[in-house]
Order: sequence, then C-alpha cells, then structure tokens
Amino acid sequence: EIVLTQSPGTLSLSPGEKATLSCRASQSVSNNFLSWYQQKPGQAPRLLIYGASSRTTGIPDRFSGSGSGTEFTLTISRLEPEDFAVYYCQQYGSTLLTFGGGTRVEIK
Amino acid sequence: EVELVESGGDLVQPGRSLRLSCAASGFGLNDYAMHWVRQGPGKGLEWVSGINWNSDNIGYADSVKGRFTISRDNAKNSLYLQMNSLRPEDTALYYCVKGSGSESYSHYSMDVWGQGTTVTVSS
Repeated sequence: EIVLTQSPGTLSLSPGEKATLSCRASQSVSNNFLSWYQQKPGQAPRLLIYGASSRTTGIPDRFSGSGSGTEFTLTISRLEPEDFAVYYCQQYGSTLLTFGGGTRVEIK
Repeated sequence: EVELVESGGDLVQPGRSLRLSCAASGFGLNDYAMHWVRQGPGKGLEWVSGINWNSDNIGYADSVKGRFTISRDNAKNSLYLQMNSLRPEDTALYYCVKGSGSESYSHYSMDVWGQGTTVTVSS
C-alpha cells in the first residue's frame, strides 16, 4: 500500500497569500497518477488536479499542481476567501487507492 | 447535469448487513468506472472499493475485503455496496464517486462525487 503523508497538517494564512501544500508518497506513484481534492465543511470533495499537474475544467488557474515520483505539491498562488478548506491528495496508480490525511488551510 | 445520489444508509447493530445504492443521472454509467469512498466522523477520506465499467476489474481496501461487495447494474444506471459483518469502525459517510475512465478502477481520477449516505454501526 502506498502511504501518502501530507504536510503541514494545518496552514494558517491570510487572503492574498500563497499556499504551498506537500504530499509525500512512501513509494513512487505510477505514471504520476496523483490527484488533489478540496473539501469544504458539509460538502463532498471536489477534484482540482489530476495527473499531478492537470487542472480540472472550471478550476481557477491560481491552483496548480507539480511534482513527480514521491514528492508532489499543490500551490494556491493567491488565496481567495473561498479557498479556505481541507485539501487531500490521492494516488490512483496502484490497485489499492489511497488518500493522504489532509491539510487544513485556515484563515489567519 | 451529472449527478450521483446515494441511499440506504442507516443505523445498524454490529454484525448486521446493509446495502447501499447509488443512482446516476446525466451520464451513461456503463462508460465509467465507479467507486465507494467513506469518511468517518471528523476524519479523512478512505477509498473503500472500485469497479470498472463491465465489472471484470474490482478492488477493495484491506479493511473491508471479504465483508463488502461492490456491484453495478448499468441498465439501471446504478451502483451498489453490499456490506456484511458490519463493525463500529465502518461508521462513516459513504460517497458514491465516478471515475474519469472506464477500463479499470485504478489509473483514473475521481471526478464526480455524490453527497453521501450515513452508515452508523452501534449497539
């Protein structure tokens, strides 16, 4: 099983600031099959990024994904009020799909 | 509009069974792999099971293998999860999720999520 470790657990930032979220895999993620999801309270998760760096239709370009192998990053260039949420990474390159534990981005 | 609506969640005693259903609309279920993902109270996301378009590629998390069975009826545009020998640790909100491809349940991201149905396992 590929274990995904997200850091930090909580990120306290102000609107307009840049957010950098990390996702580290215990072994290489096949074909960089890694996604990022955003979840707000009381809502289902929403797909932001797939294939490590491809943005889903309708996702603003302030969201970007990068990385390969075992190290991946989600960057939010300038935080908007609606971006404060929990973010999960997920790998789908193996037959046992796994999620990271999440990073909460909160208003400072 | 693409939509997934889960049903069947309930309060059940440990050791009992429950069957979840997911009704898909706005797209042809037979064109995509599907998944069940759960989220315990105040916890993160956990993949439970996935199934490809024609049910010949199925996978389970270790925590549910041998107890849960995923299935689909493409003619009815529906996905199911049969849950047997339920445990308190199965208590969660269960999401029905659409894969972005069809051939296998892995190798595709999860691009549409339902709102979930709640399963509570308690005596």
